[in-house]
Amino acid sequence: KQEVTQIPAALSVPEGENLVLNCSFTDSAIYNLQWFRQDPGKGLTSLLLIQSSQREQTSGRLNASLDKSSGRSTLYIAASQPGDSATYLCASWGGGADGLTFGKGTHLIIQP
Amino acid sequence: EAGVTQFPSHSVIEKGQTVTLRCDPISGHDNLYWYRRVMGKEIKFLLHFVKESKQDESGMPNNRFLAERTGGTYSTLKVQPAELEDSGVYFCASSHGTGFEAFFGQGTRLTVV
Repeated sequence: KQEVTQIPAALSVPEGENLVLNCSFTDSAIYNLQWFRQDPGKGLTSLLLIQSSQREQTSGRLNASLDKSSGRSTLYIAASQPGDSATYLCASWGGGADGLTFGKGTHLIIQP
Repeated sequence: EAGVTQFPSHSVIEKGQTVTLRCDPISGHDNLYWYRRVMGKEIKFLLHFVKESKQDESGMPNNRFLAERTGGTYSTLKVQPAELEDSGVYFCASSHGTGFEAFFGQGTRLTVV
């Protein structure tokens, strides 16, 4: 059964810093991996989708990498801003599961 | 283009009552998923429709939960009778295909008292 773990559970950094959020998964037989953000009381917003054949995907200040063999993905946020404050979730497709398997998320606070 | 919409956004019901949640996927998305997050836990898969057919309902907690997607458009998730442990946020998502980018609705916060 696929398990997804996100480290750290919470992170608080000053504005302007670059930061890395980590995601690991136990079953490497995934179709792809998707990163989301969730603002308080809101739904999930898709940030990036990395296909299993890809190594990384970029969107603006966000860069996500995928290493299937080691069961890891990272989300890199450059030049963080207070508006980046949210919970970031990673989720894998496949790995023996139908639908997405989620981690518990990283609660990120960017201090102005 | 409208995103995934869910109704209601909040629902408070008493134990033993019935509640029906609705999800309208993005137009043209054949795949529709229901997920649930209970307090302190990660979001978990409930079931998956492809058009009107249930592809996988292995995540449904028990037979008090019934999901339908008549005509392959919107879907409903009925909980009958509701129990305290059913409280949580129920999310719906849709995608073009299995493993494609998933788009989520705002969720329905269900509180059973």
